[in-house]
Amino acid sequence: NAGVMQNPRHLVRRRGQEARLRCSPMKGHSHVYWYRQLPEEGLKFMVYLQKENIIDESGMPKERFSAEFPKEGPSILRIQQVVRGDSAAYFCASSPEIRTGAEAFFGQGTRLTVV
Amino acid sequence: AQTVTQSQPEMSVQEAETVTLSCTYDTSESDYYLFWYKQPPSRQMILVIRQEAYKQQNATENRFSVNFQKAAKSFSLKISDSQLGDAAMYFCAYRGETSGSRLTFGEGTQLTVNP
Repeated sequence: NAGVMQNPRHLVRRRGQEARLRCSPMKGHSHVYWYRQLPEEGLKFMVYLQKENIIDESGMPKERFSAEFPKEGPSILRIQQVVRGDSAAYFCASSPEIRTGAEAFFGQGTRLTVV
Repeated sequence: AQTVTQSQPEMSVQEAETVTLSCTYDTSESDYYLFWYKQPPSRQMILVIRQEAYKQQNATENRFSVNFQKAAKSFSLKISDSQLGDAAMYFCAYRGETSGSRLTFGEGTQLTVNP
C-alpha cells in the first residue's frame, strides 16, 4: 500500500507564476489535509477536504490560494501569482476517517521556491 | 484557540543516553489527542507516539514514552537509549474534538545525537 504521494518534490516558480501541488492520498483514504511549513517553523494547517468538498479552509489565505479534491484524481493545491513569501514546504496528509485519534499519514512534501 | 508550545528549539544527547523533550499546550476542550511527530532530514513526517487525553496511563512505544500531565497541560517525550537515527526535528501536535481533523503543531525541537 503506497503512502501519501506528493509531486513534485521540488518546484521553482518565478514571481507572478502559478504553482500547482498534487497529493494522492493513501488508498482508501477520503480525507485530505494541507499544511504549510515556513523555514524554521512548525506546520500550519491550511485546508481540509473530502472528496469533492472543502470541509474547513480556515487556514487558507483569502487570496491566490485554492484547493480541490475531485472525485477522480489527486488533490490539488493551487497558488496563483506566487510571491517570495509563498516559499515554503507544503505537506499533504490523509486519513481514513475523521475520528479525533485517527492517525494522519503525511507525504514527503513539496518544497516551493519562488525566485 | 488551541496553542502548542515547545520551549526548546534545540537539544542534544549522547548516544545511549536518555533525553526529554518538552511540550505544553493550551485548550478548553476536554476530549483531545496529543501526538509527537519526527521529521528527519528527508522531511517525512513520522508519527512517534500518541496520547488520548482521557487515558491517565502514559503511552509507550518501545524506547519512546510520554509524561502526560493533564492538569498542567504538559506532554513531554522521553527517548531512552538514544540512537543516531533518532536525530531529527520533533514536533508536538494537538487535535481536539471541536477542531475537526486539523492538527495544531508546536514550533519543533531539533534533536542532535552525539556518538
